[in-house]
Amino acid sequence: KAGVTQTPRYLIKTRGQQVTLSCSPISGHRSVSWYQQTPGQGLQFLFEYFSETQRNKGNFPGRFSGRQFSNSRSEMNVSTLELGDSALYLCASSPGQVGDEQFFGPGTRLTVL
Amino acid sequence: AQSVTQLGSHVSVSEGALVLLRCNYSSSVPPYLFWYVQYPNQGLQLLLKYTSAATLVKGINGFEAEFKKSETSFHLTKPSAHMSDAAEYFCAVISGGYNKLIFGAGTRLAVHP
Repeated sequence: KAGVTQTPRYLIKTRGQQVTLSCSPISGHRSVSWYQQTPGQGLQFLFEYFSETQRNKGNFPGRFSGRQFSNSRSEMNVSTLELGDSALYLCASSPGQVGDEQFFGPGTRLTVL
Repeated sequence: AQSVTQLGSHVSVSEGALVLLRCNYSSSVPPYLFWYVQYPNQGLQLLLKYTSAATLVKGINGFEAEFKKSETSFHLTKPSAHMSDAAEYFCAVISGGYNKLIFGAGTRLAVHP
């Protein structure tokens, strides 16, 4: 079974631009979660989508948004990029029940200049 | 709100020595607890999870963890360290239902010959 894939793996943007990251979950998984990882703040939950609906949301500004498609693929978008948005963005998929193992992708490394 | 505390941001052991990584959680309800490992430039891989079935949980690569409710702890151990165990380890708890993982700050394990 193929794992979680994220594209692109690396991205360089400048302040003020916007960016879209993509995540393809494991086949059959209906839940996709997004996390931001930085040296200063560690791993922080952004949001979770289940069957195309946002089911959970972390404490991030509205510049961070996401969506999920009918095939469970998910995208997250960051508008008006700031230097502090530089991070590793990780996507995780799971069947969707409480306590299910979340399978993580390799991440997208975003650098904002 | 649930939280996780990992004692020791860096742990160094000799090859063949016992590995002990500490994790304490705060939770008002029986928690779902996880240990993940992250190798450089990779995503997170699940080592093991606690879901109340048994207090001693065995995971992959020879790791295990013991859930102690009285101490609100879920420490990770391995009897004999290998060089390949050098990585960053994260303890996490499910918060707010579904799949919102709250991570500890992580412990970087170094294994020296």
